[in-house]
Parts: sequence; structure tokens; C-alpha cells
Amino acid sequence: QTVVTQEPSLTVSPGGTVTLTCASSSGAVTSAYFPNWFQQKPGQAPRALIYGTSIRHSWTPARFSGSLLGGKAALTLSGVQPEDEAEYYCLLYYGGAPVFGGGTKLTVL
Amino acid sequence: QITLKESGPTLVKPTQTLTLTCTFSGFSLSTSGVGVGWIRQPPGKALEWLALIYWDDDKRYSPSLKSRLTITKDTSKNQVVLTMTNMDPLDTATYYCARRMGPVPTRFDFWGQGTLVTVSS
Repeated sequence: QTVVTQEPSLTVSPGGTVTLTCASSSGAVTSAYFPNWFQQKPGQAPRALIYGTSIRHSWTPARFSGSLLGGKAALTLSGVQPEDEAEYYCLLYYGGAPVFGGGTKLTVL
Repeated sequence: QITLKESGPTLVKPTQTLTLTCTFSGFSLSTSGVGVGWIRQPPGKALEWLALIYWDDDKRYSPSLKSRLTITKDTSKNQVVLTMTNMDPLDTATYYCARRMGPVPTRFDFWGQGTLVTVSS
């Protein structure tokens, strides 16, 4: 069973920049895994942010960007806002079977 | 406007079978590349993908739960149904359905609000 690993928690100051990563137990993450990123706030359903590694949905603010970094998928938040405090999940596709990461709790402090 | 909404029992007993329905609007499950998936989230834990059904009736299941899951669609009613057999307290979770768009790059874009299912005797 493939495991997708994210940082359990990160803290960032308002206005700062932070990068969340998403690693695969099967090796380097490539664009063929079609990395997706989701934001989830307490009591809410997940909201899609990024797909296809770096493509923003129409509703995703420009301060969110996706990339591949050092064999991992990455989500970078630039100019972090207080409302960005949330849990962030990545999703990788393995031959048609999606696997979620364990999530990163982002604190804006 | 695309919406999805999950419905089903809020409480099931251990060993019972859970049946959840996802009713959606704003898109068609007969359109090429479209799918609907089920994802769950135990309280305080991470998201877990369960099952996917595609426009062409292709179906995919989580390997760890495959023996307990069945996903079907009714295109005329805009509904997708998930059944999970032999429910256990560890299956207590919020269950979400989401639209899957593809083929490339594949993504889940719109999600339902989720429905909390508690497994307890």
C-alpha cells in the first residue's frame, strides 16, 4: 500500500511564505501522479486548490502555487493571510487509484 | 452551478450494511471524462479515498476496502450510490462525494458538504 507523506504541522507569520510538501513511498513524485492540493477548514468540506501539479482552479487565489520540488509535490503560499490557517491535503494518483496524504496543519501566527 | 449532496443514515449498527447516496446537479455522469468519487474522514483524521465510478461505468476501489465496497450510478437520476458492508465502529467518519474530472490532468474539483455516519450498537 502506497503511503503519501506530508509535514504534520507548519507555522508561518502573516505576510510570510511557506512551502508544504507531499512525498510518495514509491519514489519521486512526478507530474504523472497529477498532484492535487486541497484546503480544509474546521467543520467544512475540503476545497480544491491545485491540480495537475500547478494548475489553479478558477477560485484559487494567486498566492497559492504548486510545483515539483526535490522529488516531491509542493504547495507554496506567498503573502500568507490569516484566513489561510487550515489543514492542507495533497492527493496523488497511482494508476487511477487516488491516495491522500496525511495532511499538514498550517498555523498562521 | 455544480452541487453534490450526500444522504443516508447517520447511525448504523456494527455488521450492518451502509448505503449512501450522492445526488448531484450541474453536470452529467454520461459526459466523457466525468466521474464521481467517495472519500471519508474519521473524526480528527485524514481524508481517505474509497471508490470512483466513471462515465463509462468503469469502477475503481480502494485496495484495502475493495471487498466491502460497491459503487453504482443512476445517470437518469443524477445519483451515485455507495454501499459498504460489515460496518465497524472504525468506519465512523464523515463521508464525502466529489466530482472527478479528467482525463488529464485528473482532479476532484467540487465536493459535497459531507454526511457524518456513526457506527455504534
